[in-house]
Amino acid sequence: ELKVEQNPLFLSMQEGKNYTIYCNYSTTSDRLYWYRQDPGKSLESLFVLLSNGAVKQEGRLMASLDTKARLSTLHITAAVHDLSATYFCAVNLNAGNMLTFGGGTRLMVKP
Amino acid sequence: EPEVTQTPSHQVTQMGQEVILRCVPISNHLYFYWYRQILGQKVEFLVSFYNNEISEKSEIFDDQFSVERPDGSNFTLKIRSTKLEDSAMYFCASSSSGGAETQYFGPGTRLLVL
Repeated sequence: ELKVEQNPLFLSMQEGKNYTIYCNYSTTSDRLYWYRQDPGKSLESLFVLLSNGAVKQEGRLMASLDTKARLSTLHITAAVHDLSATYFCAVNLNAGNMLTFGGGTRLMVKP
Repeated sequence: EPEVTQTPSHQVTQMGQEVILRCVPISNHLYFYWYRQILGQKVEFLVSFYNNEISEKSEIFDDQFSVERPDGSNFTLKIRSTKLEDSAMYFCASSSSGGAETQYFGPGTRLLVL
Protein backbone atom coordinates (compact mmCIF):
# COMPACT_ATOMS: atom_id res chain seq x y z
CA GLU A 1 0.00 0.00 0.00
CA LEU A 2 1.33 3.40 -1.00
CA LYS A 3 1.96 5.80 1.88
CA VAL A 4 2.68 9.48 1.38
CA GLU A 5 4.02 11.46 4.28
CA GLN A 6 4.66 15.16 4.54
CA ASN A 7 6.63 17.10 7.05
CA PRO A 8 6.30 19.33 8.78
CA LEU A 9 2.56 19.16 9.35
CA PHE A 10 2.49 22.76 10.47
CA LEU A 11 4.90 25.54 9.68
CA SER A 12 4.87 29.05 11.01
CA MET A 13 7.41 31.35 9.46
CA GLN A 14 8.25 35.00 9.15
CA GLU A 15 7.92 36.90 5.94
CA GLY A 16 11.17 36.96 4.02
CA LYS A 17 12.41 33.61 5.30
CA ASN A 18 13.11 30.46 3.32
CA TYR A 19 11.85 27.00 4.13
CA THR A 20 11.34 23.56 2.63
CA ILE A 21 8.42 21.16 2.86
CA TYR A 22 9.21 17.48 2.39
CA CYS A 23 7.10 14.75 0.82
CA ASN A 24 8.18 11.12 1.15
CA TYR A 25 6.41 8.22 -0.45
CA SER A 26 6.78 4.50 0.02
CA THR A 27 6.52 3.02 -3.50
CA THR A 28 8.43 3.90 -6.64
CA SER A 29 6.64 6.47 -8.76
CA ASP A 30 7.65 9.20 -11.17
CA ARG A 31 4.42 11.14 -11.00
CA LEU A 32 4.14 13.63 -8.21
CA TYR A 33 1.84 16.63 -7.82
CA TRP A 34 1.70 19.61 -5.51
CA TYR A 35 -1.56 21.32 -4.67
CA ARG A 36 -2.46 24.34 -2.59
CA GLN A 37 -5.63 24.59 -0.53
CA ASP A 38 -6.90 27.79 1.09
CA PRO A 39 -9.23 27.36 4.09
CA GLY A 40 -12.64 26.11 2.99
CA LYS A 41 -11.60 26.13 -0.64
CA SER A 42 -10.72 23.63 -3.30
CA LEU A 43 -7.33 22.29 -4.36
CA GLU A 44 -5.34 24.37 -6.79
CA SER A 45 -2.73 22.62 -8.91
CA LEU A 46 0.76 24.05 -8.42
CA PHE A 47 3.24 21.64 -9.98
CA VAL A 48 3.37 18.37 -11.86
CA LEU A 49 6.67 16.48 -11.65
CA LEU A 50 6.99 13.58 -14.04
CA SER A 51 10.60 12.43 -13.99
CA ASN A 52 13.57 11.94 -11.73
CA GLY A 53 15.38 15.21 -11.21
CA ALA A 54 12.44 17.31 -12.38
CA VAL A 55 12.47 20.83 -11.03
CA LYS A 56 9.74 23.40 -11.53
CA GLN A 57 9.49 26.97 -10.28
CA GLU A 58 6.66 29.43 -10.07
CA GLY A 59 7.26 32.69 -8.27
CA ARG A 60 8.55 32.01 -4.77
CA LEU A 61 7.84 28.27 -4.93
CA MET A 62 10.13 25.61 -6.37
CA ALA A 63 9.38 21.89 -6.45
CA SER A 64 11.74 19.03 -7.14
CA LEU A 65 11.52 15.27 -7.43
CA ASP A 66 14.06 12.59 -6.57
CA THR A 67 12.46 9.29 -7.53
CA LYS A 68 15.37 7.22 -6.23
CA ALA A 69 15.00 8.71 -2.76
CA ARG A 70 11.19 8.74 -3.17
CA LEU A 71 11.27 12.35 -2.09
CA SER A 72 9.86 15.59 -3.34
CA THR A 73 10.51 19.00 -1.88
CA LEU A 74 8.63 22.25 -2.08
CA HIS A 75 10.96 25.15 -1.37
CA ILE A 76 9.65 28.54 -0.36
CA THR A 77 11.87 31.53 -1.00
CA ALA A 78 11.37 34.84 0.82
CA ALA A 79 7.92 33.94 2.05
CA VAL A 80 5.07 36.42 1.87
CA HIS A 81 1.75 36.37 3.73
CA ASP A 82 -0.16 35.40 0.56
CA LEU A 83 1.55 32.01 0.61
CA SER A 84 -0.30 31.07 3.79
CA ALA A 85 -2.29 27.94 2.93
CA THR A 86 -2.17 24.16 3.24
CA TYR A 87 0.08 22.43 0.74
CA PHE A 88 -0.50 18.84 -0.31
CA CYS A 89 1.67 16.51 -2.30
CA ALA A 90 0.04 13.61 -4.14
CA VAL A 91 1.47 10.58 -5.89
CA ASN A 92 0.09 8.71 -8.88
CA LEU A 93 1.21 5.09 -9.20
CA ASN A 94 1.69 3.04 -12.34
CA ALA A 95 -0.13 5.35 -14.74
CA GLY A 96 -3.33 4.79 -12.82
CA ASN A 97 -5.79 7.54 -12.11
CA MET A 98 -5.83 7.49 -8.33
CA LEU A 99 -3.96 10.22 -6.50
CA THR A 100 -2.73 9.34 -3.01
CA PHE A 101 -2.35 12.47 -0.96
CA GLY A 102 -0.04 13.32 1.88
CA GLY A 103 -1.44 14.70 5.09
CA GLY A 104 -0.75 18.29 4.12
CA THR A 105 1.48 21.02 5.50
CA ARG A 106 -0.29 24.00 6.94
CA LEU A 107 1.85 27.04 6.27
CA MET A 108 1.34 30.28 8.13
CA VAL A 109 3.46 33.25 7.11
CA LYS A 110 3.52 36.03 9.66
CA PRO A 111 4.10 39.65 8.65
CA GLU B 1 -10.68 29.82 -17.74
CA PRO B 2 -12.68 26.59 -17.69
CA GLU B 3 -13.35 25.14 -14.26
CA VAL B 4 -15.06 22.27 -12.54
CA THR B 5 -18.31 23.24 -10.84
CA GLN B 6 -20.21 21.41 -8.11
CA THR B 7 -23.67 21.66 -6.61
CA PRO B 8 -24.81 22.06 -3.96
CA SER B 9 -22.06 23.80 -2.04
CA HIS B 10 -23.50 22.56 1.26
CA GLN B 11 -25.92 19.75 2.06
CA VAL B 12 -27.34 18.65 5.37
CA THR B 13 -29.12 15.32 5.53
CA GLN B 14 -30.44 12.84 8.03
CA MET B 15 -28.68 9.52 8.57
CA GLY B 16 -30.10 6.87 6.26
CA GLN B 17 -31.18 9.32 3.57
CA GLU B 18 -29.94 9.25 0.01
CA VAL B 19 -27.92 12.16 -1.35
CA ILE B 20 -26.78 13.01 -4.85
CA LEU B 21 -23.83 15.30 -5.36
CA ARG B 22 -23.49 16.89 -8.75
CA CYS B 23 -20.49 17.98 -10.76
CA VAL B 24 -19.94 19.54 -14.15
CA PRO B 25 -16.40 18.66 -15.28
CA ILE B 26 -14.36 20.79 -17.65
CA SER B 27 -16.01 20.39 -21.04
CA ASN B 28 -13.30 18.63 -23.06
CA HIS B 29 -12.14 16.41 -20.23
CA LEU B 30 -12.66 12.66 -20.44
CA TYR B 31 -11.69 11.41 -16.97
CA PHE B 32 -13.69 12.18 -13.88
CA TYR B 33 -13.00 11.60 -10.21
CA TRP B 34 -14.49 11.89 -6.77
CA TYR B 35 -12.42 12.50 -3.65
CA ARG B 36 -13.42 13.28 -0.12
CA GLN B 37 -11.81 15.12 2.76
CA ILE B 38 -13.02 14.60 6.28
CA LEU B 39 -12.55 17.77 8.29
CA GLY B 40 -8.90 18.29 9.16
CA GLN B 41 -7.76 15.13 7.42
CA LYS B 42 -6.12 14.23 4.14
CA VAL B 43 -7.82 14.05 0.80
CA GLU B 44 -8.91 10.49 -0.06
CA PHE B 45 -9.61 9.01 -3.49
CA LEU B 46 -13.03 7.45 -4.01
CA VAL B 47 -13.44 6.61 -7.69
CA SER B 48 -12.37 7.39 -11.22
CA PHE B 49 -14.65 7.18 -14.24
CA TYR B 50 -13.89 6.97 -17.95
CA ASN B 51 -15.89 6.02 -21.00
CA ASN B 52 -19.03 5.57 -18.94
CA GLU B 53 -17.57 3.11 -16.51
CA ILE B 54 -15.58 3.01 -13.30
CA SER B 55 -11.87 2.63 -14.00
CA GLU B 56 -10.61 2.56 -10.40
CA LYS B 57 -12.16 2.68 -6.98
CA SER B 58 -10.92 2.67 -3.42
CA GLU B 59 -12.00 0.59 -0.45
CA ILE B 60 -14.08 3.53 0.73
CA PHE B 61 -16.24 3.28 -2.40
CA ASP B 62 -18.47 0.44 -1.24
CA ASP B 63 -21.95 -0.60 -2.32
CA GLN B 64 -23.46 2.51 -0.73
CA PHE B 65 -21.78 4.66 -3.37
CA SER B 66 -22.46 4.91 -7.07
CA VAL B 67 -21.47 7.27 -9.87
CA GLU B 68 -23.19 8.16 -13.07
CA ARG B 69 -22.83 10.42 -16.06
CA PRO B 70 -26.50 10.90 -16.86
CA ASP B 71 -25.92 13.26 -19.77
CA GLY B 72 -23.10 14.91 -21.66
CA SER B 73 -22.18 17.35 -18.95
CA ASN B 74 -23.05 16.13 -15.45
CA PHE B 75 -21.20 13.62 -13.29
CA THR B 76 -22.92 12.53 -10.09
CA LEU B 77 -22.03 10.75 -6.87
CA LYS B 78 -24.88 9.03 -5.05
CA ILE B 79 -24.73 7.84 -1.48
CA ARG B 80 -27.68 5.52 -0.95
CA SER B 81 -27.99 5.45 2.81
CA THR B 82 -25.84 8.05 4.47
CA LYS B 83 -23.96 7.40 7.70
CA LEU B 84 -22.57 9.88 10.20
CA GLU B 85 -19.06 9.07 9.01
CA ASP B 86 -19.94 10.15 5.47
CA SER B 87 -19.79 13.76 6.68
CA ALA B 88 -16.98 15.32 4.69
CA MET B 89 -16.13 17.68 1.86
CA TYR B 90 -16.58 15.89 -1.46
CA PHE B 91 -14.48 17.08 -4.36
CA CYS B 92 -15.07 16.31 -7.99
CA ALA B 93 -12.11 16.49 -10.36
CA SER B 94 -11.53 16.03 -14.05
CA SER B 95 -8.60 15.59 -16.40
CA SER B 96 -8.17 15.61 -20.16
CA SER B 97 -6.62 12.16 -20.09
CA GLY B 98 -5.68 9.63 -17.48
CA GLY B 99 -2.32 8.74 -15.98
CA ALA B 100 -0.02 11.70 -15.53
CA GLU B 101 -2.38 14.48 -16.50
CA THR B 102 -3.22 17.13 -13.93
CA GLN B 103 -6.54 16.64 -12.19
CA TYR B 104 -8.49 19.87 -11.77
CA PHE B 105 -10.64 20.05 -8.69
CA GLY B 106 -14.03 21.64 -8.17
CA PRO B 107 -14.94 23.80 -5.18
CA GLY B 108 -16.43 20.88 -3.24
CA THR B 109 -19.72 19.99 -1.57
CA ARG B 110 -19.72 20.01 2.19
CA LEU B 111 -21.95 17.15 3.34
CA LEU B 112 -23.16 16.98 6.92
CA VAL B 113 -25.01 13.86 8.05
CA LEU B 114 -27.00 14.24 11.26
